Amino acid sequence: NAGVMQNPRHLVRRRGQEARLRCSPMKGHSHVYWYRQLPEEGLKFMVYLQKENIIDESGMPKERFSAEFPKEGPSILRIQQVVRGDSAAYFCASSGLSAADTQYFGPGTRLTVL
Amino acid sequence: SQELEQSPQSLIVQEGKNLTINCTSSKTLYGLYWYKQKYGEGLIFLMMLQKGGEEKSHEKITAKLDEKKQQSSLHITASQPSHAGIYLCGALSGNTGKLIFGQGTTLQVKP
Repeated sequence: NAGVMQNPRHLVRRRGQEARLRCSPMKGHSHVYWYRQLPEEGLKFMVYLQKENIIDESGMPKERFSAEFPKEGPSILRIQQVVRGDSAAYFCASSGLSAADTQYFGPGTRLTVL
Repeated sequence: SQELEQSPQSLIVQEGKNLTINCTSSKTLYGLYWYKQKYGEGLIFLMMLQKGGEEKSHEKITAKLDEKKQQSSLHITASQPSHAGIYLCGALSGNTGKLIFGQGTTLQVKP
């Protein structure tokens, strides 16, 4: 059973470009979470999604960031017009039956903004 | 809002020594998770504790949740270089599955 998959593992963008990060949850999992780990900071919650629904986006910056988890295909975290401060490791996690189930993390996408 | 404080922030031990990492919450814990992260990689799930007084072990790692459910400890017995990494405690915040994390404890094990 494959774990949580994220791609790309590393992404380099210039200021003003768009970044798209993909996350495929573990098989059978329908809950997806995105977290961000900034240099020298802890891991911070961004958004929680179920299929076709955003459940909690309290950690998402108000502008330029969006997330989706369509009926078919991976969850996408999209960052428009990236700035240097967006450089971070972005982790996706998934859980099974309920929001209280254990979250299993992917390897992360390391975004570097030049 | 709930906060998790981990101590120590970093730890260097000689191989074979025991060590303990603590995680203290500002509010009652309703689910406490321990993860391990190696530099540049994702988080590996270690254990989850829910009940006051609960204790779980896996290989040489034991995690406990105190009776009041506000503090957890992670104990490693006879540490090995493979135990090196960043240990993170996480707690459920609210009822949406959102996890908040401590700042992490970096462990180095000297051969």
